[in-house]
Amino acid sequence: EAQVTQNPRYLITVTGKKLTVTCSQNMNHEYMSWYRQDPGLGLRQIYYSMNVEVTDKGDVPEGYKVSRKEKRNFPLILESPSPNQTSLYFCASSSIPGQSTTDTQYFGPGTRLTVL
Amino acid sequence: GDSVTQMEGPVTLSEEAFLTINCTYTATGYPSLFWYVQYPGEGLQLLLKATKADDKGSNKGFEATYRKETTSFHLEKGSVQVSDSAVYFCALSDPNQAGTALIFGKGTTLSVSS
Repeated sequence: EAQVTQNPRYLITVTGKKLTVTCSQNMNHEYMSWYRQDPGLGLRQIYYSMNVEVTDKGDVPEGYKVSRKEKRNFPLILESPSPNQTSLYFCASSSIPGQSTTDTQYFGPGTRLTVL
Repeated sequence: GDSVTQMEGPVTLSEEAFLTINCTYTATGYPSLFWYVQYPGEGLQLLLKATKADDKGSNKGFEATYRKETTSFHLEKGSVQVSDSAVYFCALSDPNQAGTALIFGKGTTLSVSS
């Protein structure tokens, strides 16, 4: 089954304690990205990756890091989480946007993060 | 820059009522347009899409037509069901800005009662 998986689904942590949210896709997609969803703001892109070892900032990258060592995985790293990073996070993948009419983005189930 | 504006919610309807959720966009190029749906506790699922002017996307009884002259992509359904209760996001993908890929509206919450 084609899917994007994220772990953990729920996480409560404290300020300053490093954490990683994993994302994996089994569709051989080149493009992967991370979004955060906040009430009244919709989804905003944090980082994206066009392929292995190619990453770039989205609209709200401050406080986050990513890596793309393998095509299927795109972890999101919070080196020193703060309460303003409490949010619902989504990973997504697709073929390269704009290069195909089938470049639909597939979303993971979401990770609800609370930083105390 | 590119943007998407959709009507504020929540939208509350009775079962079998007609639904319209308005969406307008601003883009420099010729974007593809999408409606995504988020059911409670779940991730986003693609509901329908349209890639060029006058295209109509449809799925599960929902429809939306890409109107370039009014820069709109309104979502409609003739008879909603309780199971349609969810948050609906309008989004665009601008081929001139491949990196950002999807720009979302703020979402509209639909609540359908029996």
